[in-house]
Amino acid sequence: EVQVVESGGGLVQPGGSLGLSCVGSGFIFTNYWMVWVRQAPGKGLEWVASINQDGNEKYYVDSVKGRFSISRDNAKNSLYLQMNSLRVDDTAVYYCVATPNYYYFDNWGQGTLVTVSS
Amino acid sequence: DIQMTQSPSSVSAFVGDRVTITCRASQAIGTGLGWYQQKPGKAPNLLIHSASTLYSGVPSRISASGSGTEFILTISSLQPEDVATYYCQQCNNFPRTFGQGTKVEIK
Repeated sequence: EVQVVESGGGLVQPGGSLGLSCVGSGFIFTNYWMVWVRQAPGKGLEWVASINQDGNEKYYVDSVKGRFSISRDNAKNSLYLQMNSLRVDDTAVYYCVATPNYYYFDNWGQGTLVTVSS
Repeated sequence: DIQMTQSPSSVSAFVGDRVTITCRASQAIGTGLGWYQQKPGKAPNLLIHSASTLYSGVPSRISASGSGTEFILTISSLQPEDVATYYCQQCNNFPRTFGQGTKVEIK
């Protein structure tokens, strides 16, 4: 069974930094694209970033470009999201998604809450 | 960026009713569309990919169609377990974009 588990969420002040992690199990990690999707409280879904199997293709939504960085460590079956210069509107549940294809989001974690507030 | 617009934003129907949700893309995306179901307090689940292909394990009362700019998700006979918010998502281009969601409730 494909499983992904996020960690690292918490409370951070505006302008601060936070790193999220996601560990995958039950699948061949190196065969999967990995994705971060977020959901602000009471709002809809927003794709944040995607990374390919080798880690040499990365895509970001414009609102996080230059502030967030997606990376992966295939030896550890792990995905990361380094978030810098955080803003109040980055407050959201961040979901890690593992997908064997380029297009759709198959296997979601339970999410980790990031709260940006003073 | 491709904008995705869903209608209605919410729908309330009786158990057994047919429910349809429309998703429109701001430009043609072929069949590069997925549908997701999100139950309260849970992560989303993929229901449909490639505009009309049912994902593994999804009940056959759920179907979808469309191509280009207009897409439809249909629940043929609404069940209590279908209470959720439904999202469409285009995968034709980056950034991947979602519709704003349609909340489905039971009358």
